[in-house]
Amino acid sequence: NAGVTQTPKFQVLKTGQSMTLQCAQDMNHNSMYWYRQDPGMGLRLIYYSASEGTTDKGEVPNGYNVSRLNKREFSLRLESAAPSQTSVYFCASSEAGDQNTEAFFGQGTRLTVV
Amino acid sequence: RKEVEQDPGPFNVPEGATVAFNCTYSNSASQSFFWYRQDCRKEPKLLMSVYSSGNEDGRFTAQLNRASQYISLLIRDSKLSDSATYLCVVNMLGSARQLTFGSGTQLTVLP
Repeated sequence: NAGVTQTPKFQVLKTGQSMTLQCAQDMNHNSMYWYRQDPGMGLRLIYYSASEGTTDKGEVPNGYNVSRLNKREFSLRLESAAPSQTSVYFCASSEAGDQNTEAFFGQGTRLTVV
Repeated sequence: RKEVEQDPGPFNVPEGATVAFNCTYSNSASQSFFWYRQDCRKEPKLLMSVYSSGNEDGRFTAQLNRASQYISLLIRDSKLSDSATYLCVVNMLGSARQLTFGSGTQLTVLP
């Protein structure tokens, strides 16, 4: 029962390096999300994908890009990492079209940019 | 003003105590509401949905007050295992952003 799987779990980057965070879900959900969580800030939406082939900006998209590769996979890319992007990143998925939908989260990626 | 606001706590309560958390939301058009639980260094997980008539799940009771735009969570007979951060979550139907999270309220249940 995998649910939402994120890789890697931990990463340390130097300023200016790039990396891609991978996310896959096996629940046949239409919607997928990327959040970041910082102390005292709660979860903030970076990007989301309402369905395969569509992506839209969330609250804090600057410095990130995303790709909805297929229905299962939604990746987040940092092109040039900055210390301000040190955070815990969560991928999530949910059914679309149901206002009582539950979001399922991956285990998170702890990213440190030095 | 944040769209979803919670008292960050921490709330430190003895085992067996009753504790209540409140959450306010700014968008009166919000349609659905949830409480998520997040254990330390783990992902958030749905605790319960919050319905207009209020709902109960064992020791947990959730209430919604649309007129005042707040949601509450009551935990009775607290257990050590209830120690976690509780996130208030609002779905603003029609908003493409779907779920909006509060910053969470930290609860520690003491032996």
